[in-house]
Amino acid sequence: EIVMTQSPATLSVSPGERATLSCRASQSVTSNLAWYQQKPGQAPRLLIYLASTRATGIPARFSGSGSGTEFTLTISSLQSEDFAVYFCQQYNNWPLTFGGGTKVEIK
Amino acid sequence: QITLKESGPTLVRPTHTLTLTCTFSGFSLDPFGVGVGWIRQPPGKALEWLALIYWNGDQRYSPSLKSRLTITKDTSKNQVILTMTNMDPVDTATYFCASSAETDGYYYLDYWGQGTLVTVSS
Repeated sequence: EIVMTQSPATLSVSPGERATLSCRASQSVTSNLAWYQQKPGQAPRLLIYLASTRATGIPARFSGSGSGTEFTLTISSLQSEDFAVYFCQQYNNWPLTFGGGTKVEIK
Repeated sequence: QITLKESGPTLVRPTHTLTLTCTFSGFSLDPFGVGVGWIRQPPGKALEWLALIYWNGDQRYSPSLKSRLTITKDTSKNQVILTMTNMDPVDTATYFCASSAETDGYYYLDYWGQGTLVTVSS
């Protein structure tokens, strides 16, 4: 099973600033990596798939990069609605596995 | 517009079997490349993938839970059903279903239901 490790666990950022979230896989997942946003009491929302492709309706301030074992989600200028928990997930191998999440909170 | 909604009991007794139904609209499980999966999230914890069923009926399961899970589909009703046997309090979680799209033979989860909280307690 591929283990996904996210860092940091919590990221404190001021509105308007850039946020950089990291996700590491225990072995290569090529580019089969997705990012999700989850707000309290809500279902996860797909932000990025194929490591860098934005899902339908996702603003351009969200961008993904990386391949193999190292991935990054960047939010270029944090808006109030972006404070949430972010999960990465690999779908290159079974079983599908998720990272533990990064909580982006208001500084 | 793609929507999915989970339904089932909110309270399950230990050792009993859980049956959850995912009813979806806006897509069909007929075309090649489509799937529906189940994922759970214990309170305050991370997401855990459970199972996925393909458009052709093939199934995939989490190895750690495979012996307890069964996923089936009713294409005519636009439903996917998950059963989990021998429920335990550690299985208390919000259970989500999600549609799965395919790129180059790999399946990612795109649209999610709102989730349903299942508590296991006597």
